[in-house]
Amino acid sequence: EPEVTQTPSHQVTQMGQEVILRCVPISNHLYFYWYRQILGQKVEFLVSFYNNEISEKSEIFDDQFSVERPDGSNFTLKIRSTKLEDSAMYFCASSEGDIQNYGYTFGSGTRLTVV
Amino acid sequence: AQKITQTQPGMFVQEKEAVTLDCTYDTSDQSYGLFWYKQPSSGEMIFLIYQGSYDEQNATEGRYSLNFQKARKSANLVISASQLGDSAMYFCAMREFQAGTALIFGKGTTLSVSS
Repeated sequence: EPEVTQTPSHQVTQMGQEVILRCVPISNHLYFYWYRQILGQKVEFLVSFYNNEISEKSEIFDDQFSVERPDGSNFTLKIRSTKLEDSAMYFCASSEGDIQNYGYTFGSGTRLTVV
Repeated sequence: AQKITQTQPGMFVQEKEAVTLDCTYDTSDQSYGLFWYKQPSSGEMIFLIYQGSYDEQNATEGRYSLNFQKARKSANLVISASQLGDSAMYFCAMREFQAGTALIFGKGTTLSVSS
């Protein structure tokens, strides 16, 4: 079954450093997403991406964050100048379309720890 | 106001019993979709079941069924014949189709299945 692949599975970084989280969505999917889950809390929407541009973003997704689809397969989330509170599980997801019953497939997540 | 409310932080059930996980939602959108995801301790998000706002029948997927009561704005997940492997966090989520493609998650319910 097709899957969304995220790398790395764990990343430890020092406060103030930049990190890039990588995702390979399902190949025929058109919509790509990043979500965040702080430990033990709910999953929060960060950003959606369609047709090579951001289609929606939440209040969390400020200038510290950026997304890119540098080639036909990868979808990346860059976090600049990381803070302790950026420590969380980051999930990439993709969906085939925006019609009602298209599901979202999530990757296994990247656990980011900022020290 | 919370868009998705899951009032049960934790639920306990014995193997082979059925369990209902509650979810209520708040939206003024006429067209929306409701999702349930399972998150085991390993962290990945596993799609379980989907219910569209215009679907007249309750959704079912194997041992999972969704008790959809539109007038009450509730979308409870029913797991029949619980198994030890069902022990996990369960999230209810909603997509409002006029608002975009982002999923809004509840805080989750931890289900523990004992033998």
